[in-house]
Amino acid sequence: EVQLVESGGGLVQPGGSLRLSCLASGFTFSSYEMNWVRQVPGKGLEWISYIDTSVNIIKYADSLKGRITISRDNAKNSLYLQMNSLRAEDTAVYYCARDGRILHGAFDIWGQGTMVTVSS
Amino acid sequence: DIQMTQSPSSLSASVGDRVTITCRASQSISIYLSWYQQKPGKAPKLLIFATSSLQSGVPSRFSGSGSGTDFTLTISSLQPEDFATYYCQQTYSIPFTFGPGTKVDNK
Repeated sequence: EVQLVESGGGLVQPGGSLRLSCLASGFTFSSYEMNWVRQVPGKGLEWISYIDTSVNIIKYADSLKGRITISRDNAKNSLYLQMNSLRAEDTAVYYCARDGRILHGAFDIWGQGTMVTVSS
Repeated sequence: DIQMTQSPSSLSASVGDRVTITCRASQSISIYLSWYQQKPGKAPKLLIFATSSLQSGVPSRFSGSGSGTDFTLTISSLQPEDFATYYCQQTYSIPFTFGPGTKVDNK
């Protein structure tokens, strides 16, 4: 079964850090570009980061640039999101999503999401 | 950045109704437009990619159309499992922006 499973979310104090992970299975992870998307509870979807297959191209949303780092380990079928200097407004569900390659960039596989709560 | 808008923000419909949701981009995005369905507590699910291509496994009552800046998602005959929030997304250029969503609920 093709799937993505996120982990690493939780409660963190303002100013703290978290590293989210996304484990891929059921497909050749190294062949797919990947993204992170977040959703504040009760709000819409926000794209936050992209990484290509060979880590040559990395992009971030301006709202988070300088505070997040996306990375991947193709040998471990894993995608990561390092988040620093966290703020209350970063409280959200964080999803990893696969770029569908021939699908004109559509995100065809999503993880179940991991909740990040930033609060003292 | 390309801004995406959707209308309406919400709508009430009954099973069997034809439902149409509109998405507009702030500049031309060719056909790089996708539609997602999201139910409470669940991840988004891809319905339509490249404006009008149906994702594998998605019922044929869903269809998409448009090009350039104006796009439409149509549900030809609303089913009970279709009550959800629908998002459009452009993948023409980074940042890959989403529309604000349209919530479809039961009249």
